[in-house]
Order: sequence, then structure tokens, then C-alpha cells
Amino acid sequence: DAKTTQPPSMDCAEGRAANLPCNHSTISGNEYVYWYRQIHSQGPQYIIHGLKNNETNEMASLIITEDRKSSTLILPHATLRDTAVYYCIVSPYSGAGSYQLTFGKGTKLSVIP
Amino acid sequence: NAGVTQTPKFRVLKTGQSMTLLCAQDMNHEYMYWYRQDPGMGLRLIHYSVGEGTTAKGEVPDGYNVSRLKKQNFLLGLESAAPSQTSVYFCASRSSTGTSGYNEQFFGPGTRLTVL
Repeated sequence: DAKTTQPPSMDCAEGRAANLPCNHSTISGNEYVYWYRQIHSQGPQYIIHGLKNNETNEMASLIITEDRKSSTLILPHATLRDTAVYYCIVSPYSGAGSYQLTFGKGTKLSVIP
Repeated sequence: NAGVTQTPKFRVLKTGQSMTLLCAQDMNHEYMYWYRQDPGMGLRLIHYSVGEGTTAKGEVPDGYNVSRLKKQNFLLGLESAAPSQTSVYFCASRSSTGTSGYNEQFFGPGTRLTVL
């Protein structure tokens, strides 16, 4: 599986957009980009995923560069409840696979009042 | 729906003791996973199951055994606990259906295990 690189920590003012970058320069053609977050000591929570097109859902937007070597997760209006560790994961989506996810250390996002 | 539940929430063991962690899901998911998370680290996959009666090794399987006798339950066993197994253990489940690329795993609240 491709490896990802994320900054260890970021701050964001409450109400502003939080832009979390992820580098995945060795991603291969069949690998998707997934974002999960872990609030305090809870279990991780799925946010969004994408292959090559930009994606948006009720939680966030995912922007993937044209060469797919990097992506950005955007939380449009960060709230204090968005303070969490955010994990960027690349993983193949295969019909015969385990669909396992490999978690790195992620980015600790602190939303500041 | 309760989603994914884990029993117990906390446990303290002495070196050499054994225990079983129980994971239960009520979403009729095919896939189930056991992860461990050490302080300041991401989750690492211990074992997983792609269906009832099947299990497979993940990244860090040594010292653990698993069983999936019923579709809704996934058990993680420690036969002889060691201090290196002090960690937070998360269980997750995943449906076998969904749109292309959809890989949402639903996680339980975790079990905090300390081995003295």
C-alpha cells in the first residue's frame, strides 16, 4: 500500500475553513484516498473517500490533485467538535481483498475559539 | 441499533494471565477487524475476518488469537499476556456491499488493557 505524509499538527480558528494536506506520491492507479478522524480516545470515524475526482459530503470536501500525488481535506466551517486526529489513508479497493486500512500518525487538528 | 460494541471497556491483567475481548455488531456486516493503538500512534491491524468461520492475520498478529463462530461476534484472545500488549484495542466492522471505493469501517469504543 502507498504511504502517506501528513503534518503532525495544525491549528484552525473556529468558524474558519480547515485545510488538511496529505502527500501520497507513490499512490497507484487502483488505490483510493480515505480520510478518517479520531476524536479524543474514541474509535475512528469515516469522513470521505475519493479516487481522482473531487468529492463532497455533509462533513467535508476532498480535493485530489490531477496527478493524484496529494490531496486536501477541507472542513468548511470548523467547530470545536472538529478537534481530532485526522488520518489520510490510501488503500486498494479490491473485490477479493480484506479492505484493510493502514493508519499512520495523522494530523492533530486543534480548533481554537 | 447499537452498532459495534466491545466488552470489557477496561481491564488490568498480570503478566501471563489470559483473557478474551468480545466484539459484537448488529449491522449484519461480513467483515470484522481487530486493531491495537499504542500511545501517540495510529491503529495497527491485528487480525481480521471476511466472514463467519474465517480469520486472517494482519500486521501484528503475534500473541493473539481470534475466532468468528457467529457472524455478529469477533473474539480476540490473549493466551499469555505480556506488558507489551498494554494498549487500546478497537474492533471494527464493514459491509461487503457499497458503491465503488466505499470502505467505511465502523469502530467500537475501544477496550483499554493494561498488563502489569
